[in-house]
Amino acid sequence: DVKVTQSSRYLVKRTGEKVFLECVQDMDHENMFWYRQDPGLGLRLIYFSYDVKMKEKGDIPEGYSVSREKKERFSLILESASTNQTSMYLCASSSNAPTIYFGEGSWLTVV
Amino acid sequence: AQSVTQPDIHITVSEGASLELRCNYSYGATPYLFWYVQSPGQGLQLLLKYFSGDTLVQGIKGFEAEFKRSQSSFNLRKPSVHWSDAAEYFCAVGATGGGGADGLTFGKGTHLIIQP
Repeated sequence: DVKVTQSSRYLVKRTGEKVFLECVQDMDHENMFWYRQDPGLGLRLIYFSYDVKMKEKGDIPEGYSVSREKKERFSLILESASTNQTSMYLCASSSNAPTIYFGEGSWLTVV
Repeated sequence: AQSVTQPDIHITVSEGASLELRCNYSYGATPYLFWYVQSPGQGLQLLLKYFSGDTLVQGIKGFEAEFKRSQSSFNLRKPSVHWSDAAEYFCAVGATGGGGADGLTFGKGTHLIIQP
């Protein structure tokens, strides 16, 4: 089975803090994604990566950055967290076929 | 660009009754189509997918979906729901030829409530 692991399930951070959300997949997938999920808005793509050190902006990249130094690991970075970034963040991965596999999600609250 | 519409935000079904969740997509060619389920506080689990071939696809947990090109629809069905089916259901579309790198476009979800 594909395993996508998000190391932090629940985080509470203060406004202005730098936040790292880590994601690891164990299936040697080329592609990795970060989505944000909010009630009534569904899932929105923040960033994706199709190879090590490569990244592409999704639909809502503002206020976020990403890092992919190793194939299995994809990090989402909030440089200066704000309250409107309180949300559930979902990491996902896929091979060169479009089926995406998701992690369990990280609940971030910014106070 | 592709888009997905799930017209029903909430659906309430009695346990043991049949279920149909609607999904309409917009895409210029034959898309890849998916249904995912999300239990409270959890990530998304793949229920089933359509890439090509037989337009009726079977998935896990007794779910099936039918691709209808003429209606641009990919509705999810289950003949008899169980209380454990209560969850959020997402339909998604992927672009063909993208090699998977572009990700999927999701609908806003349908919240399924099961009443005893």
